[in-house]
Amino acid sequence: NAGVTQTPKFQVLKTGQSMTLQCAQDMNHEYMSWYRQDPGMGLRLIHYSVGAGITDQGEVPNGYNVSRSTTEDFPLRLLSAAPSQTSVYFCASRHRVGPSGANVLTFGAGSRLTVL
Amino acid sequence: AQSVTQPDIHITVSEGASLELRCNYSYGATPYLFWYVQSPGQGLQLLLKYFSGDTLVQGIKGFEAEFKRSQSSFNLRKPSVHWSDAAEYFCAVGALFIDKYIFGTGTRLKVLA
Repeated sequence: NAGVTQTPKFQVLKTGQSMTLQCAQDMNHEYMSWYRQDPGMGLRLIHYSVGAGITDQGEVPNGYNVSRSTTEDFPLRLLSAAPSQTSVYFCASRHRVGPSGANVLTFGAGSRLTVL
Repeated sequence: AQSVTQPDIHITVSEGASLELRCNYSYGATPYLFWYVQSPGQGLQLLLKYFSGDTLVQGIKGFEAEFKRSQSSFNLRKPSVHWSDAAEYFCAVGALFIDKYIFGTGTRLKVLA
């Protein structure tokens, strides 16, 4: 298993440009999510999905769109990038551990985005 | 309000010294608690987790954590730190049937040779 794969690793955009951060997992996990990491603020949830066709907002969804057409992929779209979206973005999927049904997140390596 | 607090932004220890990273949470449901580690330029790796049962949990790389419900804490410990432990550590909380996880702001560990 490749785990959670994010592309690109680095991207520089100009204000107003659009782009898509890709996230794919090959573990057949139903749950996938996007976080952004900013200094001193930890990880904040942007959007998440509990299965194909189902998405929901997290803590900081403004400026981002998501869709989930397949179990494997969960792309994050920036329609009009702003400097405030300069951040490191992490995709994570979730799987159950043991009979209790408790869940654990598995993270991708991250995508560093700079918006000029 | 639900939150996770890591009061120490930076911690510096000498190699071979013991380590304790603090984590306090405020959460309405019975919490699931996690510690993740992030090496520079890398993603987050799960160190250990607490769901139920024994309140002292063992993780990878010689780390352990103790859940103290009365103090709403889940502190991470290691008896003897290695230079390779230098990284950023995140505490997180979740719950059964809850789809949102809350992360602390992280503690950056520096290890002196």
